[in-house]
Amino acid sequence: GENVEQHPSTLSVQEGDSAVIKCTYSDSASNYFPWYKQELGKRPQLIIDIRSNVGEKKDQRIAVTLNKTAKHFSLHITETQPEDSAVYFCAARPDGGATNKLIFGTGTLLAVQP
Amino acid sequence: DGGITQSPKYLFRKEGQNVTLSCEQNLNHDAMYWYRQDPGQGLRLIYYSQIVNDFQKGDIAEGYSVSREKKESFPLTVTSAQKNPTAFYLCASSMTGVNEQFFGPGTRLTVL
Repeated sequence: GENVEQHPSTLSVQEGDSAVIKCTYSDSASNYFPWYKQELGKRPQLIIDIRSNVGEKKDQRIAVTLNKTAKHFSLHITETQPEDSAVYFCAARPDGGATNKLIFGTGTLLAVQP
Repeated sequence: DGGITQSPKYLFRKEGQNVTLSCEQNLNHDAMYWYRQDPGQGLRLIYYSQIVNDFQKGDIAEGYSVSREKKESFPLTVTSAQKNPTAFYLCASSMTGVNEQFFGPGTRLTVL
């Protein structure tokens, strides 16, 4: 069945360093890949997304890369700040978009040490 | 963050009881979703609905039921058949053809 794997499950970095979170997906027909940030006790919120016809997208300190051949996509956060500490989820929309559903990864707890 | 609400925020249930979680949105979104969140397991899809009076099972639908009688509302019933219902439940909505899903604040269900 459809599956999204996410690594690492926890990540600790020093303030100012970069952080990278990686995901792989199983359905080669997947065509949309969002990343959500969930702060403690709050709802997930979209921070960046990428579609299958694009290889890279950047928004200030965050960027996402997509390798369709390898079925792999990654989140890059540069110049990390304490407020970046949260759980990050990747997701993929399978079935070529026949439905709007998303398959989520298991999440990465990012801790930015001041 | 406004536009999609869930109630109650906390819910306690005795074993053997059914309980219904509310989800309402005023974003005029066609599609709505229910997810269950457990520590270390991410968000798992329970049910989703792309249009009024129609819904589909997600990956973990057993022990749950939904209805979609109105565009704005997508209530989730956790039945006594759900063996391990204690979890954080998130509702989301999106426009058809537009991919971002907007999440509600969640309901934390505890079975006593």
